[in-house]
Amino acid sequence: GQQVMQIPQYQHVQEGEDFTTYCNSSTTLSNIQWYKQRPGGHPVFLIQLVKSGEVKKQKRLTFQFGEAKKNSSLHITATQTTDVGTYFCAGLTTDSWGKFQFGAGTQVVVTP
Amino acid sequence: DTEVTQTPKHLVMGMTNKKSLKCEQHMGHRAMYWYKQKAKKPPELMFVYSYEKLSINESVPSRFSPECPNSSLLNLHLHALQPEDSALYLCASSQGLVLAGGAYEQYFGPGTRLTVT
Repeated sequence: GQQVMQIPQYQHVQEGEDFTTYCNSSTTLSNIQWYKQRPGGHPVFLIQLVKSGEVKKQKRLTFQFGEAKKNSSLHITATQTTDVGTYFCAGLTTDSWGKFQFGAGTQVVVTP
Repeated sequence: DTEVTQTPKHLVMGMTNKKSLKCEQHMGHRAMYWYKQKAKKPPELMFVYSYEKLSINESVPSRFSPECPNSSLLNLHLHALQPEDSALYLCASSQGLVLAGGAYEQYFGPGTRLTVT
């Protein structure tokens, strides 16, 4: 069955540094969404990528969807303490509408 | 109003109890979801309702019984649970299941933290 792998599972970042989290799928995805879950909170939608090679930016966050639509990345520049939380990718295939497959998540800790 | 509400926030129940979790949204969304999330793990899909009909059941044990009384409400009835069912239960909603060229974003509720003793 479809599997979405996400690395790293844990990322310790100094404030001001950049970091990247990666998602890889064993099958071609129709789209991928990214969510952020703050400690003690619930997942909050960040963005959706649909097109092959798509790149989207939200302020310091840059999201990419691979050409083969099997991988995606989230890059955060100049990390701030507000970036603390766990970032999940969630992939969907055309034969599984509604069944988002979540990656394991990258837990980000920011040191001032 | 872009909020999904869930009650109760916390629930402690014994293995012989029957309880229900409730979820409500007033965004006019026609798809609603139940997820289970263990500590430091991703949300795990349990059920999906589309237009008040059960669309997806991810082989969830029958001790979990979902119900969608109307387009705004989603319940999860619990009976004879096991300690390993202790987790955060998240409800989510989206405008629909299928969107041309993509999918709808999911709005998650704050969750019910369930402890089974």
